[in-house]
Amino acid sequence: GQNIDQPTEMTATEGAIVQINCTYQTSGFNGLFWYQQHAGEAPTFLSYNVLDGLEEKGRFSSFLSRSKGYSYLLLKELQMKDSASYLCAVLDSNYQLIWGAGTKLIIKP
Amino acid sequence: EAGVAQSPRYKIIEKRQSVAFWCNPISGHATLYWYQQILGQGPKLLIQFQNNGVVDDSQLPKDRFSAERLKGVDSTLKIQPAKLEDSAVYLCASSLGSGGAVETQYFGPGTRLLVL
Repeated sequence: GQNIDQPTEMTATEGAIVQINCTYQTSGFNGLFWYQQHAGEAPTFLSYNVLDGLEEKGRFSSFLSRSKGYSYLLLKELQMKDSASYLCAVLDSNYQLIWGAGTKLIIKP
Repeated sequence: EAGVAQSPRYKIIEKRQSVAFWCNPISGHATLYWYQQILGQGPKLLIQFQNNGVVDDSQLPKDRFSAERLKGVDSTLKIQPAKLEDSAVYLCASSLGSGGAVETQYFGPGTRLLVL
């Protein structure tokens, strides 16, 4: 079966750094997406990784290791507005997105 | 550029009633997706259209759910009759559908359905 695992909830402090992990077991791999979803709102695209390594985009970075079936999203200089759920999704061999349940990130002042 | 539009934003119905949701994708996007997102879970794909053709509806409960995209632009998703377990947010997303296999999906604000 196909499976994507993320922690259910994480808490961090404003101004700090947090790393949200995602592990996956899917039938094939054609890339991994990270989306941000504020409560009651639609998911918005953050990043896409298909090759191993770190992709940096401002305060957000995303890392992929295909051999380990592992990715993480790194958020630096946390702001209160970063409080949201972060969804990991893998594009499988049929180019269908398999979604994780999301990690709810709580930022405390 | 206008985003994905959905209506209504909220709907409350009683079980066994019918309900319909509407979605207008980003202009020029050929691919349209309907997802169901239950609280605390990731989105679950219900149906994917490429223009007015169905690409994947393997997870659509066809005994009660139907969807159409007659002119290849906007789409409607219908539930008839609704069950309590259909309470969820119904998200519509679109992507370019240019033929490339990897595409970013852009989501609408969703319709929050509560079945009583």
